[in-house]
Amino acid sequence: SYVLTQPPSVSVAPGNTARLTCGGNNIGSKSVHWFQQQPGQAPVVVIYYDDDRPSGIPERFSGSNSGNTATLTISRVETGDEADYYCQVWDTSSHHMVFGGGTKLTVL
Amino acid sequence: EVQVVESGGGLVQPGGSLRLSCAASGFTFRSYDMHWVRQAPGKGLEWVSAIGIGGDKYFADSVKGRFSVSRENAKNSLSLEMNSLRVGDTAVYYCVRLAAAGYFDLWGRGTLVTVSS
Repeated sequence: SYVLTQPPSVSVAPGNTARLTCGGNNIGSKSVHWFQQQPGQAPVVVIYYDDDRPSGIPERFSGSNSGNTATLTISRVETGDEADYYCQVWDTSSHHMVFGGGTKLTVL
Repeated sequence: EVQVVESGGGLVQPGGSLRLSCAASGFTFRSYDMHWVRQAPGKGLEWVSAIGIGGDKYFADSVKGRFSVSRENAKNSLSLEMNSLRVGDTAVYYCVRLAAAGYFDLWGRGTLVTVSS
């Protein structure tokens, strides 16, 4: 089955840029979605189809996807961005949704 | 209001069964694929099951043969029947809508299932 690999944690100072990666075999050929989950809340999509942003999500959130790595970039990080972030794809071969293990973003 | 609301969680012994329900409102339920996603305490998200608008069904390997999924469009309702429950099935179970654009765009608050003796 398809596997997505995320670093367990990333730390960044307020105002700086955070880059969260999601690795998978030829992930560039798939559409990647990113979710933000605050403690005690349901996940919310922040990026879909690699680099599209839903209405209401700040422009500070952007995405890219190429080769074996997809990346969620958060510019001018704020304390409110501290959360768990998950990448997700649809594996067409198994007809399964697949989530990465998640990255905890800490804003120092 | 556009929402999905889960119910039916609770405490069950290993080997037992439980049926989760999801009530949808505010949108045309029959037009959307629906999914179940779970999250064990302190762990990440795990996809569980899906049912398409045509009734096609998919399951994660970890629950295949033990869980079944169904929908009743006339009642705007989604169900997850869980049998032979294991301690490892303990999690918050989310009912999730799949947007036409292919991403999960609507999540419920979840219902907690605890499998313990």
